[in-house]
Amino acid sequence: QSALTQPPSASGSPGQSVTISCTGTSSDVGGFYYVSWYQQHPGKAPKLMIYEVNKRPSGVPDRFSGSKFGNTASLTVSGLQTEDEADYYCSSYSGSNIAVVFGGGTKLTVL
Amino acid sequence: QITLKESGPTLVKPSQTLTLTCTFSGFSLSSSGVGVGWIRQPPGKALEWLGDIFWDDDKRYSPSLKSRVTITKDTSKDQVVLTMTNVDPVDTATYYCAHKTLLIGESFDYWGQGTLVTVSS
Repeated sequence: QSALTQPPSASGSPGQSVTISCTGTSSDVGGFYYVSWYQQHPGKAPKLMIYEVNKRPSGVPDRFSGSKFGNTASLTVSGLQTEDEADYYCSSYSGSNIAVVFGGGTKLTVL
Repeated sequence: QITLKESGPTLVKPSQTLTLTCTFSGFSLSSSGVGVGWIRQPPGKALEWLGDIFWDDDKRYSPSLKSRVTITKDTSKDQVVLTMTNVDPVDTATYYCAHKTLLIGESFDYWGQGTLVTVSS
C-alpha cells in the first residue's frame, strides 16, 4: 500500500481539463513544498512534470500545473491531448521517515 | 546532457544478493547538491523509492528496506551501486536510478531506462 493516495483512474476528452489528487499527511504533503508529479507512458521511464508543488521543468507544457491545499496536492492537465494518456505518480518528501514517498498512481485516459 | 543507465543481472535466486550499477554521465556526483536515487516498480504496480546517495556521501534509505539495502558511489567511475541482500520473489521489479539536485527539492529530473530484475529459483 502506497504512502500517498491517488485515484486509480481519471479521464477526459481532448481539449478538456482533468485534475488528479494526491492525499498524504501533515508529515509529508502537508508539511513540505516538496511535492512532485511524474508522467509514465507504458514501458518507459517516468518523466518529471512538476516539482516543488507547482514548478515546471524546462520543456514541460504549461498545460500541466500543480497545487496544494492542506494535505492534498493536485495535478491539473488543461487542454487534454491524446499524448497525455499515461500513468501519473505523485511523490513527496516525508519528514517523519526522512524519505521520499510515492502515490499509487493514476491512469489518465483521454477519451 | 545527463544520462543514466542501470546494469546488472536479470535473474537472481531467492536469498541471494542483488547488485545493480548505475553508470551516469553529464554530471559529477562530487558537485554540491547533487544526488542519485534508486526507485523500483514491480510489474503493473506503483513506483517505490529505495534510497538516495548525495555528493557528500550522505545516504537515505526507505525505512521498510533499510536493513537490506546499501547504496555506494564511485565518483572516479561515475557510478552508483545498489546492493540488496536476501532477495525474495516480491523484489521482482524494474529498477531505476535517477538524478536529483537540491535545486529542485526532492525530485528526480533525469531517469535511466530501467532494468528488469526477476527473482526466481
